Amino acid sequence: AQTVTQSQPEMSVQEAETVTLSCTYDTSESDYYLFWYKQPPSRQMILVIRQEAYKQQNATENRFSVNFQKAAKSFSLKISDSQLGDAAMYFCAYRSVTGTASKLTFGTGTRLQVTL
Amino acid sequence: NAGVTQTPKFRILKIGQSMTLQCAQDMNHNYMYWYRQDPGMGLKLIYYSVGAGITDKGEVPNGYNVSRSTTEDFPLRLELAAPSQTSVYFCASSYAREQFFGPGTRLTVL
Repeated sequence: AQTVTQSQPEMSVQEAETVTLSCTYDTSESDYYLFWYKQPPSRQMILVIRQEAYKQQNATENRFSVNFQKAAKSFSLKISDSQLGDAAMYFCAYRSVTGTASKLTFGTGTRLQVTL
Repeated sequence: NAGVTQTPKFRILKIGQSMTLQCAQDMNHNYMYWYRQDPGMGLKLIYYSVGAGITDKGEVPNGYNVSRSTTEDFPLRLELAAPSQTSVYFCASSYAREQFFGPGTRLTVL
């Protein structure tokens, strides 16, 4: 079974600065998807960014980018120019491409605080 | 599109009571899921469905039941509620690559 580990329970960043959230995973599969989800105090789960394992290029969505290191099984999220609205829980998630159910395996999350 | 909707938003149950958490989606997705999120933790899969009439257990199915009689609806049944089932419950639906989540139901069992 796959596992996802987020070793940083909490992180803090000043507004306009850059922060990197870490995620490692364990799998024996060669093809899969990785995701970062944001969960603000409203509880809503919001997809931030997605990475396909077969793609060497790191995914980017505006101020959010990933550093995907397949051999190291590492998938970190970089948030540039941090804003107060970025304060939230961030979850890393893994999804196999085999099977029919597209199930997600989540890490335990990192709480990001953004300070003035 | 309303997306994925869940009712109720909040509920307090007494030990031993039963209830059904409702989930509906209007995106015609075949895949649907139920997760629970305990305080300070990630989401864990309870049950999932790949289509009407087909359901299967996830990581933490004990104490729960599901049914899927239509593509749109995927209710989660709690029988004999226990304090260990105090959690936030999320329903989600999916097409090929992305899961869409409902707003969650906060359940407290006292």
